[in-house]
Amino acid sequence: DQQVKQNSPSLSVQEGRISILNCDYTNSMFDYFLWYKKYPAEGPTFLISISSIKDKNEDGRFTVFLNKSAKHLSLHIVPSQPGDSAVYFCAASYNNDMRFGAGTRLTVKP
Amino acid sequence: GAGVSQTPSNKVTEKGKYVELRCDPISGHTALYWYRQSLGQGPEFLIYFQGTGAADDSGLPNDRFFAVRPEGSVSTLKIQRTERGDSAVYLCASSLSRTGQETQYFGPGTRLLVL
Repeated sequence: DQQVKQNSPSLSVQEGRISILNCDYTNSMFDYFLWYKKYPAEGPTFLISISSIKDKNEDGRFTVFLNKSAKHLSLHIVPSQPGDSAVYFCAASYNNDMRFGAGTRLTVKP
Repeated sequence: GAGVSQTPSNKVTEKGKYVELRCDPISGHTALYWYRQSLGQGPEFLIYFQGTGAADDSGLPNDRFFAVRPEGSVSTLKIQRTERGDSAVYLCASSLSRTGQETQYFGPGTRLLVL
C-alpha cells in the first residue's frame, strides 16, 4: 500500500523560477514530514522537515507547506538553481516509522 | 563530523551466493535503519535497530534476509541464497533515537547486482 505518493515523476523549470514539488499521503497518523534530495550514486540527503503542528517551515530558498486536511505537502524552491537538479523524495513518519514517495526528478535549466 | 558510511559501494554476485553489507552509523546515533531502493521507487523499509536489538523487522521480505548490530554501532545486513530480484540499492540510515520526530540521515548505499 502506497501511503505516500508523488504523482509527478518529473518536473522541469527555468533557472530563477519557482519549483513546486507535491506530495500526498493517506495515513492521518503521520506527524512528521521530510523532503530528501538525491543525486545519482549518492544516498538521500535531508533537506527540510515539518512537524504536523505547523503548516509552514522555511529554510533559505526552501519552504515546505503542510495541509493536514487535504493530506498534502509541497516543497517550494525559489529561486531555482541548476544545482537543484536532482530527485526529490517526500517522506512521512509516525514514531520514526518512515514511508517514502517514489520521487520527482527536478531539472532546472540554465 | 563523519556521516553514515556503507561498504562495499558496489557488489556483484551470482544467484545463490551469500552477501554481507555493512553500515557504520553516525557516532552517537542509537537508531539504525536499513532500506532497499529499486529503480524508480523510493526507499522501502527493511529493519530498524534501537541499540543492539532489532526493534522492528517487519520489512524484511523473507527469511533469506537477516541483520545484526551486535555492539549497538556497526550493522551488517546479510542475504542468503541471493536471487536476481534482490538486485537493488541497499541504504542505511541512522538517527539519534526513535522517539519523537527524529531526522534520519542516510549513507551512500550499496548497489547490489545479482547475476
